[in-house]
Amino acid sequence: QKEVEQNSGPLSVPEGAIASLNCTYSDRGSQSFFWYRQYSGKSPELIMFIYSNGDKEDGRFTAQLNKASQYVSLLIRDSQPSDSATYLCAVPWSLMGRRALTFGSGTRLQVQP
Amino acid sequence: GAVVSQHPSRVICKSGTSVKIECRSLDFQATTMFWYRQFPKKSLMLMATSNEGSKATYEQGVEKDKFLINHASLTLSTLTVTSAHPEDSSFYICSASRDSRGDQPQHFGDGTRLSIL
Repeated sequence: QKEVEQNSGPLSVPEGAIASLNCTYSDRGSQSFFWYRQYSGKSPELIMFIYSNGDKEDGRFTAQLNKASQYVSLLIRDSQPSDSATYLCAVPWSLMGRRALTFGSGTRLQVQP
Repeated sequence: GAVVSQHPSRVICKSGTSVKIECRSLDFQATTMFWYRQFPKKSLMLMATSNEGSKATYEQGVEKDKFLINHASLTLSTLTVTSAHPEDSSFYICSASRDSRGDQPQHFGDGTRLSIL
């Protein structure tokens, strides 16, 4: 199983600011990357996925991938209190024909009103 | 869309009871389904991976006879916690994916909070 590292936080930003969440991964061969949001007591919800180097934008969210440096980040523009949650980075791995996701431990984001 | 329904959302039962949790993909065919367990303030722990029509693959340390998984169709997987005890109390979450290669996202059910008295 491969490693996925995230700063546990909490990352505190004021309402309206840009929140930047980072994730590094160990498997240089990884091809796809996923960001999930998990509210306390709830199950994860897919926010974005990215396959290619560069940026991918979806509304207030931008995923950035740099395969050479093995990191993927999530930017949240115009942060809202409702964005306060734990954000999980996930990377697929394979071993002896099995495929699954390795999740980072998550970064807790707090958006201050 | 990619909707995954998990039922029940909450179970409270006595020690020794067996509990069955269902996971259904409502609007897509799930080649692969996954079962996770999560303790408070901890990350997701993968318990097992199941493909339709074949035996589940369990992660190290997960008892196959304790956590029975059946993936009878492309839209339904079940997890049965047999003879549950208080230490089995946890948040169980299923997810489903359209592919078996891991390139497609996993979509999660709402989870089942299991409390064993």
